[in-house]
Amino acid sequence: DIQMTQSPFSVSASVGDRVTITCRASQGINNWLNWYQQKPGKAPKLLTYAASSLQSGVPSRFSGSGSGTDFTLTISSLQPEDFATYYCQQGNSSPFTFGPGTKVDIK
Amino acid sequence: EVQLEESGGGLVQPGGSLRLSCAASGFAFSNHWMNWVRQAPGKGLEWVANIKYDGSETSYLDSVKGRFTISRDNAKNSLYLQMNSLRAEDTAVYYCARAALTGRGGDCWGQGTLVTVSS
Repeated sequence: DIQMTQSPFSVSASVGDRVTITCRASQGINNWLNWYQQKPGKAPKLLTYAASSLQSGVPSRFSGSGSGTDFTLTISSLQPEDFATYYCQQGNSSPFTFGPGTKVDIK
Repeated sequence: EVQLEESGGGLVQPGGSLRLSCAASGFAFSNHWMNWVRQAPGKGLEWVANIKYDGSETSYLDSVKGRFTISRDNAKNSLYLQMNSLRAEDTAVYYCARAALTGRGGDCWGQGTLVTVSS
């Protein structure tokens, strides 16, 4: 099975800050990497797919990058509604594992 | 409007069974792979199972293989998860999620249904 790790575990940031979250796969995943945002008590929301493609309707301050085993989600200017937990997921092979999550909270 | 609505959750004793349902509306259900994803209280997301758009292929998390069965009825726009031999560690909110036609991400999710396994 492919293992997914994320760093940092949590980050405290202010509105307007640039935030970067990293995700690493235990083996190559052919760029089948998704990023999700989840707020408390709500279902996850797809932000980016295939490593760098922005999901329709998602603000352009979110961007995904990376290849091979190392991937990044960047929020260019953090907004109040962006405080949430972020998960990566590999879509290369079953089981389609998620990372442990990164919580972004208010500094 | 694209919608997914789960039902069937509840309290069940260890060793018991439950059948979850997910009703889809607002899109061509028979075109999409579908997934079940769960989240234990206070924990992260865990992919459980998926099924091909025509039902011909399925895949499972190792810890549920042989106990859970994913199925679908395209005529009824419905997805199912039959859960047998339930364990305490299966306690979670279970989400159904539509796989996007491009990119393999889950682009539409239901609100989730809570399954609690406890005596």
